[in-house]
Amino acid sequence: KAGVTQTPRYLIKTRGQQVTLSCSPISGHRSVSWYQQTPGQGLQFLFEYFSETQRNKGNFPGRFSGRQFSNSRSEMNVSTLELGDSALYLCASSLLGSSGANVLTFGAGSRLTVL
Amino acid sequence: DQQVKQNSPSLSVQEGRISILNCDYTNSMFDYFLWYKKYPAEGPTFLISISSIKDKNEDGRFTVFLNKSAKHLSLHIVPSQPGDSAVYFCAVQYNTDKLIFGTGTRLQVFP
Repeated sequence: KAGVTQTPRYLIKTRGQQVTLSCSPISGHRSVSWYQQTPGQGLQFLFEYFSETQRNKGNFPGRFSGRQFSNSRSEMNVSTLELGDSALYLCASSLLGSSGANVLTFGAGSRLTVL
Repeated sequence: DQQVKQNSPSLSVQEGRISILNCDYTNSMFDYFLWYKKYPAEGPTFLISISSIKDKNEDGRFTVFLNKSAKHLSLHIVPSQPGDSAVYFCAVQYNTDKLIFGTGTRLQVFP
């Protein structure tokens, strides 16, 4: 089955602009999470959506937002970009509701560079 | 206040030897502990997990050990292979499905 697909893979923006990243989860997975990866900071949790509702939110400013559509596809938006927003943004989906370890399947990520 | 720490940013091991990656956590309420591996230009992939009620889980060359009294998690890779060279993230799970990831350890396996 197809994996988690993220678009675009690479993008360059300038400070003050805004960006929208897209994520298509594995078919049947209704939970979609977003993470930011920067050197030395590991994977920082942004937010998680389930059935079009934001269930959890990390400690990021309001410039970071997201949404999920009825087909489980998700988008995240960053407004008023800052240099520090340069990072790899990872989307992950999971079959929420199953018992045991919550195994996430990640996409390849969207590499954002802010100049 | 990081609840999950991987204190070694990098580790270099000779092919065929054992690789030991470590992870420390601060909260006793975590339910599961997971390890992910990440190659450049790819997303992290799930490697192995362990329940908080166990102290060891093995899957082929990979074994995860959990020391609850020390709040310490380790991943052993035996024997190490060049293809194991990647960044390894530990993660802890709480409240049924919430995850917190560590900062990662870059493993390099050389011939």
